Amino acid sequence: NAGVTQTPKFQVLKTGQSMTLQCAQDMNHEYMSWYRQDPGMGLRLIHYSVGAGITDQGEVPNGYNVSRSTTEDFPLRLLSAAPSQTSVYFCASSVEGGIHSPLHFGNGTRLTVT
Amino acid sequence: SQQGEEDPQALSIQEGENATMNCSYKTSINNLQWYRQNSGRGLVHLILIRSNEREKHSGRLRVTLDTSKKSSSLLITASRAADTASYFCAPPPQGGKLIFGQGTELSVKP
Repeated sequence: NAGVTQTPKFQVLKTGQSMTLQCAQDMNHEYMSWYRQDPGMGLRLIHYSVGAGITDQGEVPNGYNVSRSTTEDFPLRLLSAAPSQTSVYFCASSVEGGIHSPLHFGNGTRLTVT
Repeated sequence: SQQGEEDPQALSIQEGENATMNCSYKTSINNLQWYRQNSGRGLVHLILIRSNEREKHSGRLRVTLDTSKKSSSLLITASRAADTASYFCAPPPQGGKLIFGQGTELSVKP
């Protein structure tokens, strides 16, 4: 039981490049979400999904796309990376979105955009 | 969307001392969760307290909830260097959005 797995752990991009951050969970959780965390700050919600085929925007969705074709996977796409997207990205999952049950977090992807 | 506001933003104590962190929120809730984040890692769930519980214990953790004041506190007793981390409270999500505050950064010095 691996929990929530994020790949890659580290990534350096040049401005304008695109990439996909991967997130997979093996707990059969319906709810998955993406957060970004900047130095000295809390987590900000980017996008979330309450089940396969359903996604919605969080607090800071601009510059990011998501899709949810399976229960297990929730990739985050940066179409044209910008230095402002330098951050640590965390994926989380839970049974029902943290209403009565905890979120399980991955260990993050550290992204630098130069 | 509702988020918890943690206070203080930073707390520095000596090993063996108790650490108290506070959380305030705005609207009525049916439960509240606390999470810990060690440096460079994802958040880890610590405890969930329901609105009909005034106090809950888990090991060296004691959480209280005062729904009339819309506040909660997390007490870590006999702190250890390994307790050094950031701590976040989380009211239930609204509209699917679980929003976190900036947390309390706890430093426990040996």
